[in-house]
Amino acid sequence: QIQLVQSGGEVKKPGASVKVSCKGSYYSFNNYGISWVRQAPGQGLEWMGWISANDGDTRYAQNFQGRLTMTTDTSTSTAYMELRSLTSDDTALYFCARDFGGYYGHLDFWGQGTRVIVSS
Amino acid sequence: DIQMTQSPSTLSASLRDRVTITCRASQSISSWLAWYQQKPGKAPKLLIYKASTLQGGVSSRFSGSGSGTEFTLTIRSLQPDDYATYYCQQYDSYPWTFGQGTKVDIK
Repeated sequence: QIQLVQSGGEVKKPGASVKVSCKGSYYSFNNYGISWVRQAPGQGLEWMGWISANDGDTRYAQNFQGRLTMTTDTSTSTAYMELRSLTSDDTALYFCARDFGGYYGHLDFWGQGTRVIVSS
Repeated sequence: DIQMTQSPSTLSASLRDRVTITCRASQSISSWLAWYQQKPGKAPKLLIYKASTLQGGVSSRFSGSGSGTEFTLTIRSLQPDDYATYYCQQYDSYPWTFGQGTKVDIK
């Protein structure tokens, strides 16, 4: 069964960075991309960006331009999301999801979520 | 960016009711729309993609329709496991965007 397993929860201070991992299993990781989606407490879903595992092409939401970096390591089938200059507004549950991209941009398998808390 | 607007925001329904949720796009997205179900603290689950294609393993009580700017998700004969929040998502153009969600609760 296709799985995406994310790293554990994080507590960070304002101004710090966080890096979340997402390891894919039981599918051809290189043939797909990964989208990252976050959900603040009690709020809806917010798409952050997408990366192609094939060639590293990225698309970032404008809200995160300049402080978000997505990468992949195809040797370990792992995607990473790094968010810098954290504020309390970045406190959220962060999900990765398999996303072929383009007109196949529905998110068919999801990680379990990684809770990031930003607090002084 | 394409704005996605769902209605209603909350819907109270009884078991075995037929439920309809609407999603409107701020511009045409053809059929590049997905629907998800989410329960508290859990990852969303893909129900429907390309507006009307049922994801494998999803109950046939769920169906989707529409194209262009107006879409609907219908749940036929609501079951206990269906009480959740539902989101639409467009993937016509980046950035992908979600509707604000529709919470289906017990009447």
